[in-house]
Amino acid sequence: TQLLEQSPQFLSIQEGENLTVYCNSSSVFSSLQWYRQEPGEGPVLLVTVVTGGEVKKLKRLTFQFGDARKDSSLHITAAQPGDTGLYLCAGSHGNTGKLIFGQGTTLQVKP
Amino acid sequence: DAGVIQSPRHEVTEMGQEVTLRCKPISGHDYLFWYRQTMMRGLELLIYFNNNVPIDDSGMPEDRFSAKMPNASFSTLKIQPSEPRDSAVYFCASRTAGPLYEQYFGPGTRLTVT
Repeated sequence: TQLLEQSPQFLSIQEGENLTVYCNSSSVFSSLQWYRQEPGEGPVLLVTVVTGGEVKKLKRLTFQFGDARKDSSLHITAAQPGDTGLYLCAGSHGNTGKLIFGQGTTLQVKP
Repeated sequence: DAGVIQSPRHEVTEMGQEVTLRCKPISGHDYLFWYRQTMMRGLELLIYFNNNVPIDDSGMPEDRFSAKMPNASFSTLKIQPSEPRDSAVYFCASRTAGPLYEQYFGPGTRLTVT
């Protein structure tokens, strides 16, 4: 069974701080995605990374795919209360047609 | 364009009753997924369809759960009979046949079984 382990599970920080969320696996993924979910809503796709070592930026969010395509990180610079939510990583493996989701990281950014 | 549409948004029912959740995927999407989310177990894949055909239902917890996709624009997830442990948020998601597997989620149905 392929697993995606996210860490930390919970993170509570003050506005303006930086943070990094990690997503690790022993399996190689064809692509990896990050989603953000706000209370009462469904997950929303933030980014997809496909190439080992790839770095993508989305405003204050920086996403990196590991060289071996087994892990990924999400770094947020100068976090804002609007960044509060559940962050999920998900990987695609082979031709199964489905994603493997991590258990999520709950981020709370206090003003 | 409208996103994935789910109904109802909230459902409260008594144990033993039948529950039907509905989903309309994004037009042109070939894949449809049903997930269940709880605090304890996170986001779990129940079943997914490709071109209206069920491909993998290994996540369906037991025979009380069934899913259908009669056409490309509609799917249902039925629980009969419902039990309190089925209380969760159920999400429907869809995607195209492209290689990136990018899924688009509906707003979910919050199910409470008393």
